[in-house]
Amino acid sequence: AQKITQTQPGMFVQEKEAVTLDCTYDTSDPSYGLFWYKQPSSGEMIFLIYQGSYDQQNATEGRYSLNFQKARKSANLVISASQLGDSAMYFCAMREGGGMETSYDKVIFGPGTSLSVIP
Amino acid sequence: EPEVTQTPSHQVTQMGQEVILRCVPISNHLYFYWYRQILGQKVEFLVSFYNNEISEKSEIFDDQFSVERPDGSNFTLKIRSTKLEDSAMYFCASSEETGGRGEKLFFGSGTQLSVL
Repeated sequence: AQKITQTQPGMFVQEKEAVTLDCTYDTSDPSYGLFWYKQPSSGEMIFLIYQGSYDQQNATEGRYSLNFQKARKSANLVISASQLGDSAMYFCAMREGGGMETSYDKVIFGPGTSLSVIP
Repeated sequence: EPEVTQTPSHQVTQMGQEVILRCVPISNHLYFYWYRQILGQKVEFLVSFYNNEISEKSEIFDDQFSVERPDGSNFTLKIRSTKLEDSAMYFCASSEETGGRGEKLFFGSGTQLSVL
């Protein structure tokens, strides 16, 4: 079963505008972590932001913020003031764990959203 | 900043041949992973490794695959008899020694494997 869903295969945004990339996830674990990674055309995987399932506040890292809605199981990435260098694939990922039958030893990725920033 | 190093960056091999992909994780990390990505699409989990043994593996990680930490620094992925469908970018990753749900993965720059 698909555990991470990213419903937007491709997105366009005007430079300097904000953009939201959607991510929904499925888990029965009360303890989990959510991550966003950026993959530019050069191929490397760059960590952007992390949100823990027990965190009370939404995570922020510079121009990146995470709109975490736990009841809806969504963890949308918001990029403010888009720049041309933000054009890349963006992956939402989840690490489950902490229970008797699961461990923290696996991070699974969603299918990704390709973001293009238009000058 | 410390980084995960992967070699080679590109590997071309004939179908049926064995390949070994090499990784040097960040020195104080104890959790290691291999992922693959076909044609820039989904990043697929292959295997995780901790304390010199496999922690978890996916259904992709069949008997053709094996991992090893031969010397305390290198972390290798071996594919015994490559198939055309093994062509992909293979990423090594590591995370810090404390483990836990908040530990992010640090990725290497990948090895592009092409099976002919």
